[in-house]
Amino acid sequence: NAGVTQTPKFQVLKTGQSMTLQCAQDMNHNSMYWYRQDPGMGLRLIYYSASEGTTDKGEVPNGYNVSRLNKREFSLRLESAAPSQTSVYFCASSEPGTEKLFFGSGTQLSVL
Amino acid sequence: GQSLEQPSEVTAVEGAIVQINCTYQTSGFYGLSWYQQHDGGAPTFLSYNALDGLEETGRFSSFLSRSDSYGYLLLQELQMKDSASYFCAVRSGSARQLTFGSGTQLTVLP
Repeated sequence: NAGVTQTPKFQVLKTGQSMTLQCAQDMNHNSMYWYRQDPGMGLRLIYYSASEGTTDKGEVPNGYNVSRLNKREFSLRLESAAPSQTSVYFCASSEPGTEKLFFGSGTQLSVL
Repeated sequence: GQSLEQPSEVTAVEGAIVQINCTYQTSGFYGLSWYQQHDGGAPTFLSYNALDGLEETGRFSSFLSRSDSYGYLLLQELQMKDSASYFCAVRSGSARQLTFGSGTQLTVLP
């Protein structure tokens, strides 16, 4: 039982490059989330998916797109990376009606 | 929108008790959660308060006063492994999104 798995763990991009962060959970959760965490700041919600087939914008969605591929997988795509997107990205999942989010180990992304 | 205020740093010695406060401003408040994050690690859930009062889980307790828009996390019998960042978070609004505070860095000294 791996919980929430994110790949890759580290990535360096050049400005303008694109990439997709992958996330999968094996807990049969309906809800999945993407957060970013910058130094000295809390986690800020980028996008979330309340259930398979639905996605909604969070606090900081600009520059990102998401895909809820199936119940297990929720990917985050940067179409044209910018230095302002240098951050640590966390994927999380939860069951609706519960307050406990399970987080993946994070992806440290640097955009040069 | 939502806003949460918590101290940026707290220092205490091993064996002591420490309280980390969190005040919030939000609409449609549902509850207050606490998460722990060690350096380089993922946040992990500690507790949740939907109603006023104290919730105890081992050495950790969490308190909520909805009328004061205030809560705190109480850590007793501090251990070195408790050195971490602690985040309060509120679920609020029509979309019931979880919004995190900026975090409190707790340092436990020997």
